[in-house]
Order: sequence, then C-alpha cells, then structure tokens
Amino acid sequence: DSGVTQTPKHLITATGQRVTLRCSPRSGDLSVYWYQQSLDQGLQFLIQYYNGEERAKGNILERFSAQQFPDLHSELNLSSLELGDSALYFCASNANPGRQETQYFGPGTRLLVL
Amino acid sequence: DAKTTQPNSMESNEEEPVHLPCNHSTISGTDYIHWYRQLPSQGPEYVIHGLTSNVNNRMASLAIAEDRKSSTLILHRATLRDAAVYYCILRPTMNRDDKIIFGKGTRLHILP
Repeated sequence: DSGVTQTPKHLITATGQRVTLRCSPRSGDLSVYWYQQSLDQGLQFLIQYYNGEERAKGNILERFSAQQFPDLHSELNLSSLELGDSALYFCASNANPGRQETQYFGPGTRLLVL
Repeated sequence: DAKTTQPNSMESNEEEPVHLPCNHSTISGTDYIHWYRQLPSQGPEYVIHGLTSNVNNRMASLAIAEDRKSSTLILHRATLRDAAVYYCILRPTMNRDDKIIFGKGTRLHILP
C-alpha cells in the first residue's frame, strides 16, 4: 500500500459526459502528479501540482483540468468525454519534487467511456 | 529529454537471477537513472535509482556502466511476484517539476 488513495476505482460513463477523479496524497506530501495509461500511448504525464499551485503540464487535453485543494487532495476533471479517453488514470505524490524523490503511485481509476 | 531503450519482453525462471538491460546513450551528466516497475493491475512502484556508482537495496541491484550509457537492473532471485513491466527512466538532477517520462518498459515473465 503506497499511502495514495484514488476514488473511484472504476468509472463507466458515456461520450460527452463529465467525470471527476479524486486523489488523496500520502500524508505530508505536497506534490501531486496525474498520469494517464492507455494501451496505445502507455503511461503519460498529464499535470503536476505543488502545494495548491500548478507546477508542470504535460500532454493534457484542454478538455481536462485539475486542481489541488488546501487539504492537498487533488481532483482531475475530464469533460466532453470521448471513446479515446478510456484509460487508467494514476495519481502519484511526493514531498519534495526536484530532488530525485520517489513518486508514490495510487491504485488508479479505470475509466471506460461508452 | 534523454531517451532509454529496453527490450520489449524477457523471460526468466523462478529463483534465478534476472538482468534487465537499459540503453541510454544520450544521457547527460546530471541525469539520474531510476527504475520503476508496474505489477499487474497496480500503479507503478519505485525499485531503485543511481547516478554513477552501483547501488543495492532490498529489492534489487543497479549496475551502471562506466560511461553511463547503459545500466542493468538485477533481481537476484526472481519470484513469481516479480512478473511486471520494468521501466528504466532518466531524471535530471535539478528539475523543478520532477515529472516522470515513462517509455514502453520491459515486460518480465517469470516461469515457475
């Protein structure tokens, strides 16, 4: 158990809909990362937050957005969903980004868009 | 970002050592070499990392070539539980954002 929790575990929705994925980092970790894992693209970095502020952006679509709240949990919002958004979404956390620290990954949310 | 090259898949027998190679010929002097693995139906987990010297921990050993253009992850005695995708990753020493760029990794099959 990494200490990172993600909810829900599974999500099935329809095209055009909007969903919110939630992540609670390990106790004390200030940085949260979101990754998407699909069969054709592999594991891809989406976005990073550090202590409530966006720190880095990867290949995140404009239809996707994220935020980190004062209690440090984070939410990834996916809107106008398309079939191609079906994937595993992982959240990771660590305390001090930029210092070769381990990232601790959650169990993921499996999203299926029908 | 510097790139890594790994074999798509490897097989090993249970209770035997496994050597997982990684080539990173364009590595810069400040890049650390990290290994993560992803067990079936789980998120990635950290295995080991190093800069120049060989490293050992309870999970594995990391052997880094003298020119740093390649490295090898060594599992000393593979178990069925070690069947996973192993990712070799380069991370710059001082990087404000610390994102991980994953490649395709090596899928390790362990034969009982």
